[in-house]
Amino acid sequence: GQQLNQSPQSMFIQEGEDVSMNCTSSSIFNTWLWYKQDPGEGPVLLIALYKAGELTSNGRLTAQFGITRKDSFLNISASIPSDVGIYFCAGQGSTSYGKLTFGQGTILTVHP
Amino acid sequence: GAGVSQSPSNKVTEKGKDVELRCDPISGHTALYWYRQSLGQGLEFLIYFQGNSAPDKSGLPSDRFSAERTGGSVSTLTIQRTQQEDSAVYLCASSSEGPTQYFGPGTRLLVL
Repeated sequence: GQQLNQSPQSMFIQEGEDVSMNCTSSSIFNTWLWYKQDPGEGPVLLIALYKAGELTSNGRLTAQFGITRKDSFLNISASIPSDVGIYFCAGQGSTSYGKLTFGQGTILTVHP
Repeated sequence: GAGVSQSPSNKVTEKGKDVELRCDPISGHTALYWYRQSLGQGLEFLIYFQGNSAPDKSGLPSDRFSAERTGGSVSTLTIQRTQQEDSAVYLCASSSEGPTQYFGPGTRLLVL
């Protein structure tokens, strides 16, 4: 089946620093999604990417759909304490309509 | 309601008992998904309903797990003869057109 490798597994940064995390897939995806999960909550959609090469921003967040269609990255600029949480990438392949494959998550800790 | 709702939010049960978890998707969403998230892990796909089509049950881990979706709206995930390894957060998501899924807050299941 499809495998997603998300890195890093965890990050400890100072408030104000920029953050970058990425996901790579063993197969081509048609859609990449980035979610954030706060403790005790379900994942919340941050950014959706539908086209290879697409670069999309949502406030301080920027994500890109890799041109090979096998990778995506998420950048957070000027981090703040409320950015703390677990970030997940998710992808949908051409043969798995409706089913998302999730990365293992990146745990982000921001020190004030 | 405005978002996906799930009940109960927490469930503690004894090994061997059956449990039912409920999901109310976003009104008008035709697709509904169930995922399982073990502690510190990513999301594991369980089952997917799309309109009136037969559900994709390929992620159900054993025949103790089953799900129904009545009237194209509310869904119930049933776990029979629960085991300790069933302890996890069970997340429900729904979507309209396209792959973007919106998650509920989850049900935290603890099997003693």
